[in-house]
Amino acid sequence: DAGVTQSPTHLIKTRGQQVTLRCSPISGHKSVSWYQQVLGQGPQFIFQYYEKEERGRGNFPDRFSARQFPNYSSELNVNALLLGDSALYLCASSLEAVWTDTQYFGPGTRLTVL
Amino acid sequence: QQQVKQSPQSLIVQKGGIPIINCAYENTAFDYFPWYQQFPGKGPALLIAIRPDVSEKKEGRFTISFNKSAKQFSLHIMDSQPGDSATYFCAADGGSQGNLIFGKGTKLSVKP
Repeated sequence: DAGVTQSPTHLIKTRGQQVTLRCSPISGHKSVSWYQQVLGQGPQFIFQYYEKEERGRGNFPDRFSARQFPNYSSELNVNALLLGDSALYLCASSLEAVWTDTQYFGPGTRLTVL
Repeated sequence: QQQVKQSPQSLIVQKGGIPIINCAYENTAFDYFPWYQQFPGKGPALLIAIRPDVSEKKEGRFTISFNKSAKQFSLHIMDSQPGDSATYFCAADGGSQGNLIFGKGTKLSVKP
């Protein structure tokens, strides 16, 4: 079975631009969470979606938005990119939206903002 | 109050040694404590997790010890191998679904 997949693998953008990152969860998983991992730090929670609804949001500005589609895949959008947005963006999926469900992480999208 | 503090930042042990990674938390509402392993270029992968109603949990060579009164928990890796060289993160549930609060990570290097 395929794990969580993310695209693209790497991305280079300039300040002020907008970016869209994509995530496909493990088949049968209905919940998707997004995390930002800055180099040398642990992942930080951005969003969680379950059945196309936002279930949780971390301490990130409104420049960050996300959505989940009927097939449970998800997109993370970041507007007006800043240098500080450079990070590895991780998507995690779980069966349901119960916090004890194991979250399976994808390999991430490495975003570089110049 | 939402932090999980992890130490040490890095750790070097010889093959067969028992590295120990420690974490501490403040929020007594946390109720689920997973450990993740991350290799370079990969996403974190769940190693083992514990609930605060048990003091110890073993899975293979990995053991979590949990001290609820001290609000601390630790990961022990028995008979460590060079293939265990990775970054390890402790985490705690953030009180809302799907929200894990991670420590800053420990980079483990196991020398042959």
